Amino acid sequence: EAGVAQSPRYKIIEKRQSVAFWCNPISGHATLYWYQQILGQGPKLLIQFQNNGVVDDSQLPKDRFSAERLKGVDSTLKIQPAKLEDSAVYLCASTRDRGAPLHFGNGTRLTVT
Amino acid sequence: DQQVKQNSPSLSVQEGRISILNCDYTNSMFDYFLWYKKYPAEGPTFLISISSIKDKNEDGRFTVFLNKSAKHLSLHIVPSQPGDSAVYFCAATPDAGNMLTFGGGTRLMVKP
Repeated sequence: EAGVAQSPRYKIIEKRQSVAFWCNPISGHATLYWYQQILGQGPKLLIQFQNNGVVDDSQLPKDRFSAERLKGVDSTLKIQPAKLEDSAVYLCASTRDRGAPLHFGNGTRLTVT
Repeated sequence: DQQVKQNSPSLSVQEGRISILNCDYTNSMFDYFLWYKKYPAEGPTFLISISSIKDKNEDGRFTVFLNKSAKHLSLHIVPSQPGDSAVYFCAATPDAGNMLTFGGGTRLMVKP
């Protein structure tokens, strides 16, 4: 089966600019996650979708971050405006069932200068 | 506050020997624990898991041990191989769900 697809792989922007990341989960996986991984730290959950509904977004900085999952498949994560501390790898993951291991994409490395 | 901690940022082991990676947690609601392995420029991949009703789970060269009273788990790799060189993340979740809390990772280097 094809894995979780993410694009772009790398993005460099200046602070206060906006940026968007795209994720296509594994076919049939109803649950989708966005994680932020800052260098030297473990991944931190930003938002969880079940189909096209948000299950948990308690750790999403909603003043600048937004995410959507239209039609319950692809998802986009947006940052507007970006700050220096947003520099990180943004990982998308999906899973078919509750309790099943997450499948991660290769991530988008964002550098904010 | 860090609910899942991996206190060793790095570990170096000789090929063929045992690698032991440790993880501590503070949240007593966690009841399902996982280990993920990450190579550079790739996403984490699932390695092995354990439920709180067990104290050991084995899969080939990989064994995870859970000590609930100490809130501690460890991953043993025997024998270690150069291809095992990667960053290993411990993760935990309550209710055997998917809301994972990750530790900071341990970089394992297996020398030939």
